[in-house]
Amino acid sequence: DIQMTQSPSSLSASVGDRVTITCRASQSISSYLNWYQQKPGKAPKLLIYLASSLQSGVPSRFSGSGSGTDFTLTISSLQPEDFATYYCQQSSSMSWTFGQGTKVEFK
Amino acid sequence: EAQLVESGGGLVQPGGSLRLSCAASGLTLNSYNMNWVRQAPEKGLEWISYISGSGTSIYYADSVKGRFTISRDNARNSLYLQMNSLTAEDTAVYYCATSGNYRLDYWGQGTLVTVSS
Repeated sequence: DIQMTQSPSSLSASVGDRVTITCRASQSISSYLNWYQQKPGKAPKLLIYLASSLQSGVPSRFSGSGSGTDFTLTISSLQPEDFATYYCQQSSSMSWTFGQGTKVEFK
Repeated sequence: EAQLVESGGGLVQPGGSLRLSCAASGLTLNSYNMNWVRQAPEKGLEWISYISGSGTSIYYADSVKGRFTISRDNARNSLYLQMNSLTAEDTAVYYCATSGNYRLDYWGQGTLVTVSS
């Protein structure tokens, strides 16, 4: 299976900060990389698919980049509703795998 | 509005079985590939199974292979997960999710499965 490693595991930030989360795959996954946001007690929500495409309805402050093995999720200006846990997920080959998550907390 | 609703979770003893269901409204399931994803308490997400829209392609994570069976009934617009030989490590919230174009786009709210004596 392809292993996905996110960093950092958690971070503290303030409203208005630029936040960057990285995800590394154990082998090349081309652009088959998705990003999800999950709030406590809720189902995950798709933010970015195929590395850089913004899911419909997701604010434009979210962006994704990368290909091959290294990927980045950027929140350009953190908003109060963005405090959550973020997961990357590869869909290059079955079985699909997730990163361990990055918790974005209020500083 | 598209909605997926899981049911069938609950408390089961180790070694027992449980069948989860996922009912769809606002979308026709036979147009979608479907998945089960689980999340153990205070842990991350784990994809566990996939079934194509026609039901002809099926995949499982190694952690559940041979114990869990995914199936669908497109006429009932429903997805199922039969879980056998359950252990404490299977305790989790189980989500169903559609997957089109290599992404998990619609998710249900989840159903909790607790394996304990």
